[in-house]
Amino acid sequence: GAVVSQHPSRVICKSGTSVKIECRSLDFQATTMFWYRQFPKQSLMLMATSNEGSKATYEQGVEKDKFLINHASLTLSTLTVTSAHPEDSSFYICSARGGGQMNTEAFFGQGTRLTVV
Amino acid sequence: DAKTTQPTSMDCAEGRAANLPCNHSTISGNEYVYWYRQIHSQGPQYIIHGLKNNETNEMASLIITEDRKSSTLILPHATLRDTAVYYCIVREYNQGGKLIFGQGTELSVKP
Repeated sequence: GAVVSQHPSRVICKSGTSVKIECRSLDFQATTMFWYRQFPKQSLMLMATSNEGSKATYEQGVEKDKFLINHASLTLSTLTVTSAHPEDSSFYICSARGGGQMNTEAFFGQGTRLTVV
Repeated sequence: DAKTTQPTSMDCAEGRAANLPCNHSTISGNEYVYWYRQIHSQGPQYIIHGLKNNETNEMASLIITEDRKSSTLILPHATLRDTAVYYCIVREYNQGGKLIFGQGTELSVKP
């Protein structure tokens, strides 16, 4: 299957700082990317959907000013957690889907474990 | 909200077939059934998807009932590495179709 890479895999930051997570599609062009959050022993929760070159669409209850998403190219999307607090500590996962023949399954990154102290 | 219901957990003996059921009674005509799995602390992995015909690939088989209200994922010879949470998801087959995850089934393959 296609490869989606997330970086970093783990990050620890101080409360009040911002953290940027990158999601790259390595061998296909990702016209659509999705960002999820997963708390311990829970399922994945969709945060937002982004299409290349346009603003992200956020799910209900997700603060767009806190979770900034940029999808500036067909191979890269970034999620920035601004002014992070301990309750933002979670496992963040991106997913990417291409167009054409790639518009079938979505491929997932390996996830980023964010710990805010 | 997720449109599927799955058992919370299942056990399977190593080497035996693992049959994971999923109910999706409100599925609409243009929605596909997708299966993903998530091994602890990793991103989900695509397994298989189908519309109404049974599907098979190198990982698993997908059996969809004729009324499409339920399906079963079959891992023919489960190994310890198949221990994971398995998610059954329905989504529209189009560019914007989002994958909404339910709680999934935690499959434990035991020696």
